[in-house]
Amino acid sequence: KQEVTQIPAALSVPEGENLVLNCSFTDSAIYNLQWFRQDPGKGLTSLLLIQSSQREQTSGRLNASLDKSSGRSTLYIAASQPGDSATYLCAVLGSQGNLIFGKGTKLSVKP
Amino acid sequence: DTEVTQTPKHLVMGMTNKKSLKCEQHMGHRAMYWYKQKAKKPPELMFVYSYEKLSINESVPSRFSPECPNSSLLNLHLHALQPEDSALYLCASSQSTGSADTQYFGPGTRLTVL
Repeated sequence: KQEVTQIPAALSVPEGENLVLNCSFTDSAIYNLQWFRQDPGKGLTSLLLIQSSQREQTSGRLNASLDKSSGRSTLYIAASQPGDSATYLCAVLGSQGNLIFGKGTKLSVKP
Repeated sequence: DTEVTQTPKHLVMGMTNKKSLKCEQHMGHRAMYWYKQKAKKPPELMFVYSYEKLSINESVPSRFSPECPNSSLLNLHLHALQPEDSALYLCASSQSTGSADTQYFGPGTRLTVL
């Protein structure tokens, strides 16, 4: 059974700092990996999707990498801002179209 | 337009009530999903519809009954729920269930069962 783990569970950084969020998964037979952002009490916003054949994706200040063989992904956020404060969720797509989520990393960016 | 809408935003119901949650998208997506998210937990998949047919039911109790009346709409009918069913119910859609397709989520319905 696929398990997704995110480390750290929480992270607090000063504004302007670059940071890395980690995601690992136990079964490398994934179809894609997505990073989402969730603000308190809200739905999920898709940030980046990396297909299983890709190594990385970039969008603005965000860069996500995927190493399928080692079961790892990282989300790099450059020049963090207070508006980046949210919970970041990593999810892998299984063979039936089902997303399996990690528990998330709660990020706080202090002004 | 990458919007998925959900109504109502909040719902309070008793254990004997019957209610429905509604989800709508106009992106031409042919896959739609229901997820349940308990407080401080990640979302968990409940149902997947692909081309208006139920393709995945993650062993969800029968007091939850999904319905996909057309390609833009997804309903979740609720009956005889328990207090432990209180959660944020999220709807999502994607072009298909394929690997290249991003899932877009709605804002959710916050359900409280008394």
